[in-house]
Amino acid sequence: GQNIDQPTEMTATEGAIVQINCTYQTSGFNGLFWYQQHAGEAPTFLSYNVLDGLEEKGRFSSFLSRSKGYSYLLLKELQMKDSASYLCAVTGAGNNRKLIWGLGTSLAVNP
Amino acid sequence: DAEITQSPRHKITETGRQVTLACHQTWNHNNMFWYRQDLGHGLRLIHYSYGVQDTNKGEVSDGYSVSRSNTEDLPLTLESAASSQTSVYFCASSEFSGGNTEAFFGQGTRLTVV
Repeated sequence: GQNIDQPTEMTATEGAIVQINCTYQTSGFNGLFWYQQHAGEAPTFLSYNVLDGLEEKGRFSSFLSRSKGYSYLLLKELQMKDSASYLCAVTGAGNNRKLIWGLGTSLAVNP
Repeated sequence: DAEITQSPRHKITETGRQVTLACHQTWNHNNMFWYRQDLGHGLRLIHYSYGVQDTNKGEVSDGYSVSRSNTEDLPLTLESAASSQTSVYFCASSEFSGGNTEAFFGQGTRLTVV
């Protein structure tokens, strides 16, 4: 089967660092995405990893280990506006252009 | 700027009525998707299309249909609305380019079936 697991909820303090984990078991792999979704809004793209290692983009970084079926999203210098749901998604191999979605991690940033 | 738009943003309908939700994208993307999002279930794929005249069923397609007569539009039809179809619906589009199939989402349609 295909499955993506993420923690349901996390809390953190403004200015801190938080790591959101994602593990996946899929039939084939062609990349892993992280999306951010604020309450009442559409998901928006944050990052894409297809090779092992860390991709850094400003305050946000994403890591991938294909052999472990594992990724994390690292958010630094947290701001109140980072309170949102963070969705992990995986694409299958070959021409499979569908995304398989995790349920999302709801992050609350407290002052 | 290219965009993807959904209409209406909010809709209330009665059980048994046919409802069509519109999705229009100006990215010229080949791939288009319809999802529903419910608490505890995340994003679930209803139908998708990889190009004109191509449509495919997703994991929760019962009671829904789509048609793709041009690149820009993928309307979603609820044949006979049921209360279980009360949800937030998102349309998305993407262009397959190797592995990076970044999807762009519409603003969502909140549908209530009473």
